Amino acid sequence: SQQGEEDPQALSIQEGENATMNCSYKTSINNLQWYRQNSGRGLVHLILIRSNEREKHSGRLRVTLDTSKKSSSLLITASRAADTASYFCATRTGGFKTIFGAGTRLFVKA
Amino acid sequence: DAGVIQSPRHEVTEMGQEVTLRCKPISGHDYLFWYRQTMMRGLELLIYFNNNVPIDDSGMPEDRFSAKMPNASFSTLKIQPSEPRDSAVYFCASSLRGSDNSPLHFGNGTRLTVT
Repeated sequence: SQQGEEDPQALSIQEGENATMNCSYKTSINNLQWYRQNSGRGLVHLILIRSNEREKHSGRLRVTLDTSKKSSSLLITASRAADTASYFCATRTGGFKTIFGAGTRLFVKA
Repeated sequence: DAGVIQSPRHEVTEMGQEVTLRCKPISGHDYLFWYRQTMMRGLELLIYFNNNVPIDDSGMPEDRFSAKMPNASFSTLKIQPSEPRDSAVYFCASSLRGSDNSPLHFGNGTRLTVT
């Protein structure tokens, strides 16, 4: 069964707006990762946040983690048409096992 | 760095036939993962290896599926016999166990269609 569940399933915004995606998970984790998938391609790693971290930034990406609520959010600021893709959270428990959520499909309109 | 290489990119086969998917991980990576992606079930972890040894195969759907990693630079996922419900995109990913925080590097997948 999937560990992470993303919300919303789909998101459509205008270029320049911010996009926020949420992820909830079920069990204790070592870290949480976000990946991006363009149509017809493999997933690409974006950012990782450790279980003892609360917030992390990378360029236009901001990730938060609330282990008490077992949830994370990914914020993409000043979105661009090129950000159109599916975004997945992935949780890693002990033993390097990495489980992905169902993903959020983001569409950025130019 | 050539990245993770999967072959073939597309495979169309008839029900009952044997299908073999291939993966070459990034050189030096010691973890290899096989995932299956469908619209209905999302990304499912099928099996993963560490140093060529299967660590967790609990996601392998049934005995028709088998995976091997004969050496550090090659892995196969075999389906015998194939069924239409096996139609999906199969991804291979590799990772370097420098720390627990190493990301996965994905190939571009094999799109399997079983008719």
